[in-house]
Amino acid sequence: AQSVTQPDIHITVSEGASLELRCNYSYGATPYLFWYVQSPGQGLQLLLKYFSGDTLVQGIKGFEAEFKRSQSSFNLRKPSVHWSDAAEYFCAVGVLDSSYKLIFGSGTRLLVRP
Amino acid sequence: SQTIHQWPATLVQPVGSPLSLECTVEGTSNPNLYWYRQAAGRGLQLLFYSVGIGQISSEVPQNLSASRPQDRQFILSSKKLLLSDSGFYLCAWSVMSGRRGEQFFGPGTRLTVL
Repeated sequence: AQSVTQPDIHITVSEGASLELRCNYSYGATPYLFWYVQSPGQGLQLLLKYFSGDTLVQGIKGFEAEFKRSQSSFNLRKPSVHWSDAAEYFCAVGVLDSSYKLIFGSGTRLLVRP
Repeated sequence: SQTIHQWPATLVQPVGSPLSLECTVEGTSNPNLYWYRQAAGRGLQLLFYSVGIGQISSEVPQNLSASRPQDRQFILSSKKLLLSDSGFYLCAWSVMSGRRGEQFFGPGTRLTVL
């Protein structure tokens, strides 16, 4: 069955420090992969996506993610975190069965220390 | 450009009362439409999706239902709310061709059932 695992429920980093959020997926075909960010009480905003080609993808707000097929991973990174990055982050995989839909991970809440 | 609207933004309803949440999309035709629920501190649970007018697929058995009376309108309903229906409800749309499958989310509706 298709699934997405985000093993870290919470992560706390200091402002200016680097960040890596982990995501592992299970899907039999070539995956479409996404990272979304959600600020409190808001909808989800797409940070970046991977469909094919270069395995290192750049997104908005200085984020990047690397697709590693051998590890079934799509980890999100940022070299220097800003206080405004505090939010919840969701990884998702696009799957196609009777129709197209996204399977989301349970999310990682990022806290930023001043 | 495309926009997605949800209303109401917040709702407080007594147990046993009916529910109607509305989602409309502007600036696109024949979108795939989705309803998600996000319980407090939890990830996103796909409730319903629709690939066209009158076509609804249910992901999770429950006392909720969905309808798509127009191409860009998606409604989530219940005849009798339960306490467990409380949560943050998100509507999303996607188009498989061109955008390659990312979903775009509305601002959400916060539902509290008392």
